[in-house]
Parts: sequence; C-alpha cells; structure tokens
Amino acid sequence: GNSVTQMEGPVTLSEEAFLTINCTYTATGYPSLFWYVQYPGEGLQLLLKATKADDKGSNKGFEATYRKETTSFHLEKGSVQVSDSAVYFCALSDEDSNYQLIWGAGTKLIIKP
Amino acid sequence: DAGVTQSPTHLIKTRGQQVTLRCSPKSGHDTVSWYQQALGQGPQFIFQYYEEEERQRGNFPDRFSGHQFPNYSSELNVNALLLGDSALYLCASSLPRVTEAFFGQGTRLTVV
Repeated sequence: GNSVTQMEGPVTLSEEAFLTINCTYTATGYPSLFWYVQYPGEGLQLLLKATKADDKGSNKGFEATYRKETTSFHLEKGSVQVSDSAVYFCALSDEDSNYQLIWGAGTKLIIKP
Repeated sequence: DAGVTQSPTHLIKTRGQQVTLRCSPKSGHDTVSWYQQALGQGPQFIFQYYEEEERQRGNFPDRFSGHQFPNYSSELNVNALLLGDSALYLCASSLPRVTEAFFGQGTRLTVV
C-alpha cells in the first residue's frame, strides 16, 4: 500500500540556516503530495502541495519539488527563522487510497536564535 | 470564510464515559474526515463522511462512530472511553475526489 517516510527529528538549526527535511513515498498510482505544518498546540495547516511530477510547491519561503524518479518531496528553506519552529508532516493522497491522506511520522524542527 | 471549526477545543472525560465532538466544514466542502493524533505522533485516519454516509474507515474499533448532517457538519462519538483515547482529534474537510484537505484546530480530549 501507499506509505510516506520522512526523516526523524528533532532537527535543530540556528536562525538563518538552510533547511532540508527529507520525504520519500511509495505509491502505486500518481499521488498528490503535501507538506503540512503544526505549530505547538494547534491543528494542521497546509504549507504547500504538488499534484504532478516536476511540480514545485512553495509558500512562506518553503519549497518542495515532486520528483517521481526518486519518489521524493523534500522540504527546503533557504533561511529559517525562530518562528518556523514546528512539526512538519509530509503526506500523500491519491485515487488508490480513496483520497485519504497518508502521513509521515512528522519531523520536529527547532530553530535557535 | 470561517474555515473548519471544531468544538469544544478542550474536554476532560472519565474512563467509561461517552463523548461527542463536533465539526463544521469549510464553506462549500461536503466531505469530512476525522483523525486522531496522539501526543508526539502523526494523525491516524478514523473515518470519512460524504453524503451523510461513512465512506471509508481506518483501523479503529466500533466504539468510534460518526454522523454527517444535511448541512455537511459532522460529529464524532466515542463510547466507553479508555485512557488511550486521550489525543487531539482533528477534523478535515474537502471536496469529493479532491486531494487537498483543510483542518480545524482540533479538540484536545483527556481521559482520566
């Protein structure tokens, strides 16, 4: 079945550092891919998405490119801020999963000033 | 647009009791999904409702049940609460056969 694997955390960085959070997926069809963010004590917010191969999703300085050849959707940001501290979830959804979101385990990001 | 709203935001129940959580979907959305998120873990899919029927169900016991109303709002009911049911319960709404889902802020349930 479909699955998502993302790098374990926590990831600790200094402010203005470059961020990469790895995400790879297994899917039988052609899924849409998502990054969601969860700030402490809050629900999940959609950060960005990509619906087909080579699409690049971007939002708030974060980017991720849908790479079908490597089945990856890594999250990147050029210069992180303390306010980016949160838990980041990679997820996929497709017709084979009846459009149910399949989630990675989440990666906690800690940014130190 | 109010987005997805859930109530209550926090709830404390005693083991063995029953609880009802409520969700109003984003305007225009008619599909509602419920997730359980234990502390420090990712969301686990409970079930999804569309056209007032349960369309999909995750690996949760029958103690977890739901309902969708004609206005697309939804309820999640949990009977015979266990300590292990303590979690953040998230509601998400979407359009049918559309992959993007919008989440509410969640209901934090504590079972004591």
